[in-house]
Amino acid sequence: GAVVSQHPSWVICKSGTSVKIECRSLDFQATTMFWYRQFPKQSLMLMATSNEGSKATYEQGVEKDKFLINHASLTLSTLTVTSAHPEDSSFYICSARDLGQGLVMPQHFGDGTRLSIL
Amino acid sequence: GENVEQHPSTLSVQEGDSAVIKCTYSDSASNYFPWYKQELGKGPQLIIDIRSNVGEKKDQRIAVTLNKTAKHFSLHITETQPEDSAVYFCAAVGYNTGNQFYFGTGTSLTVIP
Repeated sequence: GAVVSQHPSWVICKSGTSVKIECRSLDFQATTMFWYRQFPKQSLMLMATSNEGSKATYEQGVEKDKFLINHASLTLSTLTVTSAHPEDSSFYICSARDLGQGLVMPQHFGDGTRLSIL
Repeated sequence: GENVEQHPSTLSVQEGDSAVIKCTYSDSASNYFPWYKQELGKGPQLIIDIRSNVGEKKDQRIAVTLNKTAKHFSLHITETQPEDSAVYFCAAVGYNTGNQFYFGTGTSLTVIP
């Protein structure tokens, strides 16, 4: 159980285009999903917290107009990197929190999206 | 806010030996401590977790210990196998901080056949 599906797993696109990444919880409901960015050989850096039916909460230094987050249902959150540039190239990982696990709820991660901007 | 430190950053062990990874945290209100294993090109996978009302938890070859007084917790892997090679992350989580996960910097474990 507790499977999080992230799509696509890898995308290459030209500078200036926008890229949408989907994160789905397959067998549980998640009012909250998280978006992380990970640089090579580094830890996960929280970008934003996505709340179903409301605006996302962005961490300091993360441009909300650059990284658009939509959490339209209890099982789907999307991250859109707008007008992507080479410096946006990175490994993006989503996670979802299982509603049914009590007050402190584990996060379950997707397999990440490798984004390469040429 | 919470600060989590993780050591060592790299660890090499012979197959069959044990591996221990340690984390310390700063916020005494943190009460949930998960461990994640991340293989190359994949997302982190939860392998074991412990809550603050428990001092030790074991799942086959993996165990986690928690010392609340000293604010540190450790991951123990016994009888290591090559497939245990990966990057391991610890995290500290507190309900009073909105369940935000504070991750350690990761440990790259290599099990030498």
